[in-house]
Amino acid sequence: GESVGLHLPTLSVQEGDNSIINCAYSNSASDYFIWYKQESGKGPQFIIDIRSNMDKRQGQRVTVLLNKTVKHLSLQIAATQPGDSAVYFCAEASTGANSKLTFGKGITLSVRP
Amino acid sequence: DGGITQSPKYLFRKEGQNVTLSCEQNLNHDAMYWYRQDPGQGLRLIYYSQIVNDFQKGDIAEGYSVSREKKESFPLTVTSAQKNPTAFYLCASNHGYTEAFFGQGTRLTVV
Repeated sequence: GESVGLHLPTLSVQEGDNSIINCAYSNSASDYFIWYKQESGKGPQFIIDIRSNMDKRQGQRVTVLLNKTVKHLSLQIAATQPGDSAVYFCAEASTGANSKLTFGKGITLSVRP
Repeated sequence: DGGITQSPKYLFRKEGQNVTLSCEQNLNHDAMYWYRQDPGQGLRLIYYSQIVNDFQKGDIAEGYSVSREKKESFPLTVTSAQKNPTAFYLCASNHGYTEAFFGQGTRLTVV
């Protein structure tokens, strides 16, 4: 379930299954979205991005879906592997002066062998 | 090779001291960011800079200061006014409308 406040929610999936990680964003002016993966003790790594003129983008084993109507972003990982275990963050940005990159709270993905 | 470098990796601060965390990038990126991450939590924006000699406060700027005298460098000072500075600090940079690249972080501990 969702954790409000300090700790990140966790998604547990079986190895080989598909994972879906969801993110709600708040700024309707945001027009660029990114998913990052963070392993313990390291900086976040870029996974995939999408601009607001698109609603779907695919990479290798990953797909990002954007629903601007409800301000929702999702990351789908196909055939989840143990190496996918990490914390996943969505980030949003908007064009214009003083544009900044703002991160969501993050979700921990745990892959069961 | 190009990248973004944070130093030191680990830093210890005595109470009442100011400490400065280094962030350097050779990616020719215009924008640079500082985030704070507490255990089991997300990234919170401290300060960001879109251009040399200009920067803006993020969501948790109190107790921190920055400078942007050179495009490549965006040091963060954690002042004695920051009452709970123990955290993992992440620096990032990007160029225009692209993904941000992150450094490997500095773990600051108050002793």
